[in-house]
Amino acid sequence: GEDVEQSLFLSVREGDSSVINCTYTDSSSTYLYWYKQEPGAGLQLLTYIFSNMDMKQDQRLTVLLNKKDKHLSLRIADTQTGDSAIYFCAERLNDYKLSFGAGTTVTVRA
Amino acid sequence: KAGVTQTPRYLIKTRGQQVTLSCSPISGHRSVSWYQQTPGQGLQFLFEYFSETQRNKGNFPGRFSGRQFSNSRSEMNVSTLELGDSALYLCASSLDTEAFFGQGTRLTVV
Repeated sequence: GEDVEQSLFLSVREGDSSVINCTYTDSSSTYLYWYKQEPGAGLQLLTYIFSNMDMKQDQRLTVLLNKKDKHLSLRIADTQTGDSAIYFCAERLNDYKLSFGAGTTVTVRA
Repeated sequence: KAGVTQTPRYLIKTRGQQVTLSCSPISGHRSVSWYQQTPGQGLQFLFEYFSETQRNKGNFPGRFSGRQFSNSRSEMNVSTLELGDSALYLCASSLDTEAFFGQGTRLTVV
C-alpha cells in the first residue's frame, strides 16, 4: 500500500541541527526523496536515496534510511533562516509515480 | 539549463468551464508527471506520460485528462470544473531517478 507519514511541525533554533522523520509502508519502494517547498513555489528536490543504501550525505544534508523499520530521516546541519519551509518525504513506487507525505513545516527561530 | 516551465502561473475559472495547463519539461527528459496539491488532500498523483504514452494514472475522475507531444511537452485538461478542483497543479520532469518540479499553476475555480 501507499502511505507516507511525517510529523507536521518542527521548530528549531538557528545554528542547531534539524531532524525530520518519515515512515513509509511499501517495501517495494526503489527510491526515497526529500523535497522542499517555500511559500508560493513548486517543489525543490533536495536529495534522494536508493533503497539499498542506508546513508547519504550531501553538504549540510544527511539522509538516513532504515529499511527494516521503513524509516527515513533528513538531518539539516547548522540550520539557517532560509531553511524555513515545508519538507516533503516521498517514495517512488513504480516508474515515476511518487507518493508523498503530508509535509513537515520547519520554522527556524533566531 | 532551463528548468521545468509551467504556464500559466495563475488561472481563475468559473464552475462548469474547462481549463488546459501546459508543462515544458527539462530538455532531454521524456517523462512528465502531474500532481494536484490541496491543503486538505496534500500532493496527489494525477498521471504520468512517457514518449507520448500514459503509463500511470491516479484516482481522479475522467474529467481530468492529459497528453504528451512528440517534443515531450505535456498538457493536462480539466473539464466541467468544480469548486473542489481549486488547487496548485504541479508538473514533474524526469530522466531517470530524479524528478524535478515546475513552479506550478495555481487554479482557482469560482
